Amino acid sequence: DAGVIQSPRHEVTEMGQEVTLRCKPISGHDYLFWYRQTMMRGLELLIYFNNNVPIDDSGMPEDRFSAKMPNASFSTLKIQPSEPRDSAVYFCASRRSNTIYFGEGSWLTVV
Amino acid sequence: QKEVEQDPGPLSVPEGAIVSLNCTYSNSAFQYFMWYRQYSRKGPELLMYTYSSGNKEDGRFTAQVDKSSKYISLFIRDSQPSDSATYLCAMSAGGAQKLVFGQGTRLTINP
Repeated sequence: DAGVIQSPRHEVTEMGQEVTLRCKPISGHDYLFWYRQTMMRGLELLIYFNNNVPIDDSGMPEDRFSAKMPNASFSTLKIQPSEPRDSAVYFCASRRSNTIYFGEGSWLTVV
Repeated sequence: QKEVEQDPGPLSVPEGAIVSLNCTYSNSAFQYFMWYRQYSRKGPELLMYTYSSGNKEDGRFTAQVDKSSKYISLFIRDSQPSDSATYLCAMSAGGAQKLVFGQGTRLTINP
């Protein structure tokens, strides 16, 4: 099993640019999560999907953030326009039963 | 006040020592309690999962939940340098959908 696959692993972008993070969950998992991790705030849930349907996006910080899951094997998290305070590690995770499996993260730096 | 409080450390102990990691929480609805281990520049991985109160043992690891005190612990026996990582507690009221994470405790085991 390949695990949760995220891309890009590292991204450095200029303020105002659009950022798209991608995720391929583990096959057969019915939940997909997007988390953000920073030193100050720790690990925070941004949004999660069940069977490709967004269930709770209350953690999305503002309208600049959007997430989609067009099919069971792909999801995107988009930030437009990006700001320096969006710099963080963004994790995608998928769930089987009560076990959540995390990807290795996308390290985003906005300068 | 945060829903889940965890001392960020850092914690440094000699190899072979018993390590105790703890979290307190304020939400009495929490029923699912987990411990994740996160190596540097990697995603969190599930270490222990406990439902409701009680103890659970897995090899050198023991998880304890005291719901009356709103306090959970993770004990590591015979600690090894490979146990050096950040340990995050996580909990939720209803399964693994909306986990609330602690800040994480950075642990170093010195050979």
